[in-house]
Amino acid sequence: GDSVTQTEGQVALSEEDFLTIHCNYSASGYPALFWYVQYPGEGPQFLFRASRDKEKGSSRGFEATYNKETTSFHLQKASVQESDSAVYYCALGDLVGDNSKLIWGLGTSLVVNP
Amino acid sequence: NAGVIQTPRHKVTGKGQEATLWCEPISGHSAVFWYRQTIVQGLEFLTYFRNQAPIDDSGMPKERFSAQMPNQSHSTLKIQSTQPQDSAVYLCASSLDGGNYAEQFFGPGTRLTVL
Repeated sequence: GDSVTQTEGQVALSEEDFLTIHCNYSASGYPALFWYVQYPGEGPQFLFRASRDKEKGSSRGFEATYNKETTSFHLQKASVQESDSAVYYCALGDLVGDNSKLIWGLGTSLVVNP
Repeated sequence: NAGVIQTPRHKVTGKGQEATLWCEPISGHSAVFWYRQTIVQGLEFLTYFRNQAPIDDSGMPKERFSAQMPNQSHSTLKIQSTQPQDSAVYLCASSLDGGNYAEQFFGPGTRLTVL
């Protein structure tokens, strides 16, 4: 079945550092790819999505590019802030028939120190 | 726009008791999703409704879990004979049309603890 792999379980950075969180997927067909962010005590919030090869999604300074060849959708931000501390989830949209459930990675906890 | 509302926020049950979780989707959204979140398994899809009709319940444990959407303004997830392994945060989400590229809006979740 479809799956999403996030390599890093936790990332610790200082403010203004460059962020990369790796996301690779396995899916038949051509899934939509998503990034969500979750703060403590809240549900995940949509960051952005991409739905075709080479498409870049972006929001709030975060960005990722859909790469069909390497089956990746890595999240990057040039300069992180303490307020970016949260758990980040990569997900894919299941394209089986009319089904639109999300398949999630295990999440990456980002801690940004001041 | 109040967002997706989930009640209760916290529920504690004894082993073998029943738990009912409530979700009110965003007004005008036609799709409702239920997910379960644990430290070990992460986020797992449970079930999905579109226009109140069940579309996919492939993630639901068959024997004790059931979900309904009796009207467009609320959905319930019922767990019978709760077990300690059911302890998790249960998240409800809604989207405008349930399409494959649609953004899902999540509620804050219900934290279920089974003693």
